[in-house]
Amino acid sequence: NAGVMQNPRHLVRRRGQEARLRCSPMKGHSHVYWYRQLPEEGLKFMVYLQKENIIDESGMPKERFSAEFPKEGPSILRIQQVVRGDSAAYFCASSPDRNAYEQYFGPGTRLTVT
Amino acid sequence: DAKTTQPTSMDCAEGRAANLPCNHSTISGNEYVYWYRQIHSQGPQYIIHGLKNNETNEMASLIITEDRKSSTLILPHATLRDTAVYYCIVRANFGNEKLTFGTGTRLTIIP
Repeated sequence: NAGVMQNPRHLVRRRGQEARLRCSPMKGHSHVYWYRQLPEEGLKFMVYLQKENIIDESGMPKERFSAEFPKEGPSILRIQQVVRGDSAAYFCASSPDRNAYEQYFGPGTRLTVT
Repeated sequence: DAKTTQPTSMDCAEGRAANLPCNHSTISGNEYVYWYRQIHSQGPQYIIHGLKNNETNEMASLIITEDRKSSTLILPHATLRDTAVYYCIVRANFGNEKLTFGTGTRLTIIP
């Protein structure tokens, strides 16, 4: 059973470009979380999604950031018009249902904005 | 979620038990204590969780005080691969609550 997959693992974007980060949850998991880790800081929750629904986006910046988890395909975290402060590691995690106690994390995508 | 307090860093000799403390004095009755670790920029890894009884699995043991205001994660025979940042997290176990990570304890295993 493959783990949580994220791609790309490394992404370089110039200021003003768009970044798209993909997360494929573990097989059978329909709940996805996105977290961001700024350099030398802890992980911060961004958004929690189920298939086709955003459940909690309390950690998402108000502008330029959006997330989706369509019925088919991976979850996408989209950052428009990236700025240097968006440089970070972005991790996604998945779980099988609302009562699961463990979140399984992917290897992360390291975004560098130049 | 209740706040947790952990030492910034700790060292432990290889082969010895590593004991990582965590204070969570404002924990509520329905909140569990979770431990995750992050090995050098990898994704966090779940270790163990508990409510009020001590717990043990293949990775570690979790000792929770009777008043639930603090806990200790024990790695019984630390290896170099256990070098990581360890996060103690308090979380309600209903729904599928987000994880709130603090700054954690950077554990270094010394050969």
